[in-house]
Amino acid sequence: DQQVKQNSPSLSVQEGRISILNCDYTNSMFDYFLWYKKYPAEGPTFLISISSIKDKNEDGRFTVFLNKSAKHLSLHIVPSQPGDSAVYFCASYQGGSEKLVFGKGTKLTVNP
Amino acid sequence: AAGVIQSPRHLIKEKRETATLKCYPIPRHDTVYWYQQGPGQDPQFLISFYEKMQSDKGSIPDRFSAQQFSDYHSELNMSSLELGDSALYFCASSPGSSGHEQYFGPGTRLTVT
Repeated sequence: DQQVKQNSPSLSVQEGRISILNCDYTNSMFDYFLWYKKYPAEGPTFLISISSIKDKNEDGRFTVFLNKSAKHLSLHIVPSQPGDSAVYFCASYQGGSEKLVFGKGTKLTVNP
Repeated sequence: AAGVIQSPRHLIKEKRETATLKCYPIPRHDTVYWYQQGPGQDPQFLISFYEKMQSDKGSIPDRFSAQQFSDYHSELNMSSLELGDSALYFCASSPGSSGHEQYFGPGTRLTVT
């Protein structure tokens, strides 16, 4: 069973517009959430994270929102740039565990 | 900034052979994690080490073993290789155990023929 779900396998956005990537989770014990970006033939690159005690975390063009009651988080990229084109993974783990649980990823394409 | 180093980057082995993958964490990171990513799949956690002791275990086959050495580098040993072991193997490191961001290496692509 997939505990972290990214229901959109792909997303296409125009340069300069907002990209919104969504992620849902089922395990209420998850308390730390991360977003990774991955280019082909490279390892995942850490982007931004959020603890379950917060509902928003911002870092430059990237903002992550967490809605605990809905078990939903989203990554906003504003403004989107062609270099943002990659696969984005949502991941989570619960306190005391070393194991990061990943979603299946969303492929973002930012068109010039 | 220094990143996680993995070697080799590519490895081709035949069925029933053994393979050893190496991981060198970011300096001052004492926790190492191993993940396996099959084609079109998300990374799956295999095993982790904190201060040279196994700290958590995931879906790692009994044919695989791993350890972390005194200099914090880690090795994943894989024996009796099967075709289904063909995958990308990522190592990640973090400064401390759970509750920290994990930083990933570039991966080792293992192909079993």
